[in-house]
Amino acid sequence: KAGVTQTPRYLIKTRGQQVTLSCSPISGHRSVSWYQQTPGQGLQFLFEYFSETQRNKGNFPGRFSGRQFSNSRSEMNVSTLELGDSALYLCASSLPGLDLNEQFFGPGTRLTVL
Amino acid sequence: AQSVTQPDIHITVSEGASLELRCNYSYGATPYLFWYVQSPGQGLQLLLKYFSGDTLVQGIKGFEAEFKRSQSSFNLRKPSVHWSDAAEYFCAVGAGNQGGKLIFGQGTELSVKP
Repeated sequence: KAGVTQTPRYLIKTRGQQVTLSCSPISGHRSVSWYQQTPGQGLQFLFEYFSETQRNKGNFPGRFSGRQFSNSRSEMNVSTLELGDSALYLCASSLPGLDLNEQFFGPGTRLTVL
Repeated sequence: AQSVTQPDIHITVSEGASLELRCNYSYGATPYLFWYVQSPGQGLQLLLKYFSGDTLVQGIKGFEAEFKRSQSSFNLRKPSVHWSDAAEYFCAVGAGNQGGKLIFGQGTELSVKP
């Protein structure tokens, strides 16, 4: 079974631009969560989508948004990029049910904002 | 609020020595607990999880962890460390009613001396 895939793996943008990151979950997984990883703040939860609806949201500004499609693939968008948005963005998927918290992570997208 | 503390930022052990990585959590109910490992430039790989039942859980790569409710701890152990275990280790807590949201500790970087 294929794992979680994220595209692109690396991205370089300049301040003020916007960016879209994509995540394809493991087949059959309906929940997709996004995390931001930085050296200073560690791993922080951005949001979670389940059945095309945002179910949970972390403490990030409205510049960070996401969506989920009917095939469970998810995208996250960051508008008006700031230098501090440079990070590894990780996507994770999980099955519905008791093990919902057991998440399988993709390799991440490394975003650099110049 | 939920939180996870990993008191040790960096640990160095000799190859073949035993290892214990500490994790303390704060959560009102019975938590779902996880240990993940991250190699440089990679995503997170699940080592083991605790949902309920036996408080000593076995994971992959020879790791185990013990849930101690009285100490709010979930320490990770390995009897004999291999050089390939050098990586960063993250403890995380999830709440079943919050779906795909995990709260991570700051991580412990493990170095292995030959």
